[in-house]
Amino acid sequence: AQKITQTQPGMFVQEKEAVTLDCTYDTSDPSYGLFWYKQPSSGEMIFLIYQGSYDQQNATEGRYSLNFQKARKSANLVISASQLGDSAMYFCAMSAYSGNTPLVFGKGTRLSVIA
Amino acid sequence: GAGVSQTPSNKVTEKGKYVELRCDPISGHTALYWYRQSLGQGPEFLIYFQGTGAADDSGLPNDRFFAVRPEGSVSTLKIQRTERGDSAVYLCASSKDPRETQYFGPGTRLLVL
Repeated sequence: AQKITQTQPGMFVQEKEAVTLDCTYDTSDPSYGLFWYKQPSSGEMIFLIYQGSYDQQNATEGRYSLNFQKARKSANLVISASQLGDSAMYFCAMSAYSGNTPLVFGKGTRLSVIA
Repeated sequence: GAGVSQTPSNKVTEKGKYVELRCDPISGHTALYWYRQSLGQGPEFLIYFQGTGAADDSGLPNDRFFAVRPEGSVSTLKIQRTERGDSAVYLCASSKDPRETQYFGPGTRLLVL
């Protein structure tokens, strides 16, 4: 079974600053994917970034980067140059590929960007 | 292109009634997933379709919940004899295949009075 832990219920960041949202995971599968989704108040889950367990380099997508530390089983999301529109819930999720398992989500972190 | 669409966006019903929630996935996506999100929680898996067949329905909470995808595209989640505890946001997602990124629809907010 897979498990995702997000220990920060809420985070504040000043506009234009960088922020790190923590995510640790647990799985016995050797092959898996890690994902981050953003959920604004409108409710839609927006895909941000993906990291495969065998990827050698950390994933980046624009202002988003994933700090993947396999030995520590962590997959932290780094948002650079925060914007007011980044205020939302952020969910870390994983899927184990051996059984094509569905996504398992953490409880989320609410990010508030302050002007 | 068009994303995942879900109808209705909101549904209010009375305890004991039957409801149907519809999901229209991204064109060409063979994998379709249903999740349920309760207030303050992350989404929880309900059922996964690969094509027309339910490949994994281990997340369905009980036999009041059922889902179909008869032609391998649109899916309907059906809830019989609704209970107040069924109130949640029901999210649908699709992907090109099971190992690809899942893209979510806007969800259906179900309120059972």
